[in-house]
Amino acid sequence: QSALTQPRSVSGSPGQSVTISCTGTSSDVGNYKYVSWYQQHPGKAPKLMIYDVSERPSGVPDRFSGSKSANTASLTISGLQAEDEADYYCCSYTVNYIYVFGTGTKVTVL
Amino acid sequence: QVQLVESGGGVVQPGRSLRLSCACSGFTFNNYAMHWVRQAPGKGLEWVAVISYDENIKLYAESVKGRFTISRDNSENTLFLQMHSLRADDTAVYYCARDFSGGANDYWGQGTLVTVSS
Repeated sequence: QSALTQPRSVSGSPGQSVTISCTGTSSDVGNYKYVSWYQQHPGKAPKLMIYDVSERPSGVPDRFSGSKSANTASLTISGLQAEDEADYYCCSYTVNYIYVFGTGTKVTVL
Repeated sequence: QVQLVESGGGVVQPGRSLRLSCACSGFTFNNYAMHWVRQAPGKGLEWVAVISYDENIKLYAESVKGRFTISRDNSENTLFLQMHSLRADDTAVYYCARDFSGGANDYWGQGTLVTVSS
């Protein structure tokens, strides 16, 4: 199972919006609603930001939103803030009954 | 509050074995599936294994299938990962995580570092 494809990096100024893509196949992202997104700051454990494509866990700001179209899921951060600078990973369930993470995207706040 | 605390990491020679533990508290452990996820130094996250709440289902990444075994002790609220035939590319921080919904992990441990080196 190959890793899902994410851009290596995205950047934006405070207050702007950025979108991170997560491209898979019909064997994973395209076939299931079980796509999640994680934020990871250096030296820290990942934090769940989005689950089931577009659901936000309690406590996650509504600046974070998720969506999916065909084999590509997306995470959008609106109103970018300095504390949003981190690595972001998508994750999907697959037809092989296992899970696969994306390659990871570094978000830089300019 | 929910806590997951991994232990058992360390330096091990190639070909040897190691068992990781994840002590869980603050929630009803036997209601949740649990995962192991690892991260090699400077690299991305890699899903390793999942176990159902009742231990009936265990699934593994291809990279560890046949070498690693996930298990749990619901009476002790503890998750385990038994690792055999360790290789240099198994070097990573290993995290345990609680399955919140459809594989989404809402609580994670702090991680334990496994270094495979001669």
